[in-house]
Amino acid sequence: GEDVEQSLFLSVREGDSSVINCTYTDSSSTYLYWYKQEPGAGLQLLTYIFSNMDMKQDQRLTVLLNKKDKHLSLRIADTQTGDSAIYFCAERKRDDKIIFGKGTRLHILP
Amino acid sequence: EAQVTQNPRYLITVTGKKLTVTCSQNMNHEYMSWYRQDPGLGLRQIYYSMNVEVTDKGDVPEGYKVSRKEKRNFPLILESPSPNQTSLYFCASSLGGGSQPQHFGDGTRLSIL
Repeated sequence: GEDVEQSLFLSVREGDSSVINCTYTDSSSTYLYWYKQEPGAGLQLLTYIFSNMDMKQDQRLTVLLNKKDKHLSLRIADTQTGDSAIYFCAERKRDDKIIFGKGTRLHILP
Repeated sequence: EAQVTQNPRYLITVTGKKLTVTCSQNMNHEYMSWYRQDPGLGLRQIYYSMNVEVTDKGDVPEGYKVSRKEKRNFPLILESPSPNQTSLYFCASSLGGGSQPQHFGDGTRLSIL
């Protein structure tokens, strides 16, 4: 199959770290992405990782890729209220088709 | 300003009445794509295009057509819309493949009665 799976909801206290997980099935995927969607808006690319990398860090964001387990995670350090959104994991296949997960809604608790 | 522009933003129409949603980008991007977003299903790719006159089916192409006669435009055509095509549609473009980020339009909300 071509599934990209994510949990649907995550609640995190403000100031804590958020970890959003994603699994995918296609071991030949070239790139994996994390997008953020705020209410009523389109998608904004947060970060991406090439499939031969294990980790990528960009300010508060850390992406970890376990290619053997086909597991991708996004860690947001010091989570703020502005991080409240839906986060989508996506993979790019060798034929350039892009498959999105169903999205994880991140809720920030005060 | 670099942008992806979709029109219309909202449309309510009836079953069987042909419609076209336009998408235009001003960034000279090669890759363009259409997605639909439905509650609980996330985004699903309908069609994508790597360049002019090159289009490929995504995950859910049934009931849709696209064309890429010019680099900047990638219209989505519903020849005979049906209620199950009621959805939020996004157009996106990127410079090329791989690491190039996709820029998304603001979305078109279609309701087919």
